[in-house]
Formats: sequence, C-alpha cells, structure tokens
Amino acid sequence: AQKITQTQPGMFVQEKEAVTLDCTYDTSDPSYGLFWYKQPSSGEMIFLIYQGSYDQQNATEGRYSLNFQKARKSANLVISASQLGDSAMYFCAMREGVTGGGNKLTFGTGTQLKVEL
Amino acid sequence: DAGVIQSPRHEVTEMGQEVTLRCKPISGHNSLFWYRQTMMRGLELLIYFNNNVPIDDSGMPEDRFSAKMPNASFSTLKIQPSEPRDSAVYFCASSLMDFSNEQFFGPGTRLTVL
Repeated sequence: AQKITQTQPGMFVQEKEAVTLDCTYDTSDPSYGLFWYKQPSSGEMIFLIYQGSYDQQNATEGRYSLNFQKARKSANLVISASQLGDSAMYFCAMREGVTGGGNKLTFGTGTQLKVEL
Repeated sequence: DAGVIQSPRHEVTEMGQEVTLRCKPISGHNSLFWYRQTMMRGLELLIYFNNNVPIDDSGMPEDRFSAKMPNASFSTLKIQPSEPRDSAVYFCASSLMDFSNEQFFGPGTRLTVL
C-alpha cells in the first residue's frame, strides 16, 4: 500500500484564490511527521510546512496552512491568496517514528499546481 | 550558510562509464540523504546516513550503486558501470536528526547516461 497518496496530479487556481492540495497517508506508527515541499520548474526542493502527529493545532506558515485530520489520515495543504509564483509541483511526505523507519522521508507522487491570472 | 552543495550540477556520460556525484551537507547537520527523481518513479530515497554511518540503503537499486560518507562534511554516490536507465536527477539532502526537522535539499545533479 502507498504510504503517501496525492490523488490530484494537476490543479488550477485563479490568482488570489485559495487552493487545497490533498494528501492522505498510511501508517500504524503513533509517532510521525508530515511535511510539504514545493518544487518549482527550476528544480529545487523547498520546505514549506511541518505537522507532527501529536501537535494539537494545525500548522501554519504565512500563506500556507495544513488541514490535519488525524482520524481520516489526511494532511491537506491550503495555500491562501495564490500568487503566480506558487505555480509548482507540491509534494507531501511522511517521516515515521523509530519503529517505522527512522528519520527518512517517504514522498507522494506530487500535485502540479498552476496559478492563472 | 551556503546550503547543501552538490557537484556536478549536470553530468553527461556514456553507458559503462563510472559516475561520481558529490555532496557537502549543511555544517552541523548529522543526517544525510541521497534521493533520485525520475518521471516514472518520482522521488525515491536511495540511502541515508546518520553521523556518517549508513542506516538504510534499501533503496539502492543494485550493486552498481554505492555511497560513502567519509566525514561529516562530504558524501559521494557512485554508479559503476552506468546505464541509460540511471538517467535522473539525484538530490542530496541534509538535516538535524531531530524528528521534526525538515530536510534541506541541494540543487540536484542532472545525470544523463547515453
């Protein structure tokens, strides 16, 4: 079974609108962390936001927020007020606790976001 | 800090040749990761080190691939002999070992094997 599932291969959003990128995960480890990375067309991987499994509140970083629904095993990324520069590939990733694999990350297949005028 | 440094940025070689990719992690980071990214397989972890010791190499495709980390500031990924299917972007990333710390990625090496 896939550990990280991103079901939206591509998304379009209008500038200044909000957009939600979906991510579901699968783990039996009670301790895990969820990460989102952005990969623009230039190719670099840019860290956006982190959510720990024990965190009580949803993570936020500027225009990025993470809609963490633990019971549903989902960790959707919400980008508010989209900008043209947000056009990129977005990856969801999970780090499981010691029993699950140490500190390595497992990545999803990504969602290509295109912001339109 | 200069970030994670990888060299070369681009490598074109012929099938059968040896390829060595290099990585300098961020100073102070004690975990180092090698990833490979292709259209078909996405982003795959090849191997990672904690405190210069290889912890998990289950992602290394086959014996043609080897990785070393002789000290805290340098790692290599070697492919010998290279094959066209090895063509990909290879990323090195580093982090602190703490669970919640993000991995910082280098710019990647784009490898083309003809």
